[in-house]
Amino acid sequence: NAGVTQTPKFRVLKTGQSMTLLCAQDMNHEYMYWYRQDPGMGLRLIHYSVGEGTTAKGEVPDGYNVSRLKKQNFLLGLESAAPSQTSVYFCASSGDYGRSNQPQHFGDGTRLSIL
Amino acid sequence: DQQVKQNSPSLSVQEGRISILNCDYTNSMFDYFLWYKKYPAEGPTFLISISSIKDKNEDGRFTVFLNKSAKHLSLHIVPSPPGDSAVYFCAAGKGGGADGLTFGKGTHLIIQP
Repeated sequence: NAGVTQTPKFRVLKTGQSMTLLCAQDMNHEYMYWYRQDPGMGLRLIHYSVGEGTTAKGEVPDGYNVSRLKKQNFLLGLESAAPSQTSVYFCASSGDYGRSNQPQHFGDGTRLSIL
Repeated sequence: DQQVKQNSPSLSVQEGRISILNCDYTNSMFDYFLWYKKYPAEGPTFLISISSIKDKNEDGRFTVFLNKSAKHLSLHIVPSPPGDSAVYFCAAGKGGGADGLTFGKGTHLIIQP
């Protein structure tokens, strides 16, 4: 019963390096989301996807790119990491909103430090 | 501008008593409200939600109340065992939350023995 799986769990990068965070869900969900959480703050939406091949910007998209080539996977990329991107990143997914409201289900997060 | 506010960073409750967590919002377009529980080093876990067309929703030990005129919701947890000690986030969405949720900063609930 995996649900939403995020890899890696921890990573340390140097300023200017690039990396990709992977999110995988096994619930056949249409919608997927990337959030970041900073100390003392709530989660803030970075990007989201309403289906395979589609992505959209959230509240704090600058410095990030995303791709949804497969329904079950949602990738978050940092092209040139900056110390301000040090954060805990959470991925979430939810089902079809067409008939009823759907809660989002979260992974356990990726803790990213940029030196 | 914070659209979802949890004004109590922490709340201490005696074991076995009722816990009441509060949340205020400013955006009248929100139509779906959720509560999540989060332990350290884990992701948020969904607890309960409520649509803006309702004013109360119950699920086991959890009850959420929505006062649309006051733009206020609350989560009641009865009773409160030590395992309930965690950070609780209030979240809200438009269009059922399809284009993402807006979160409050969280309330750290501490259950005292």
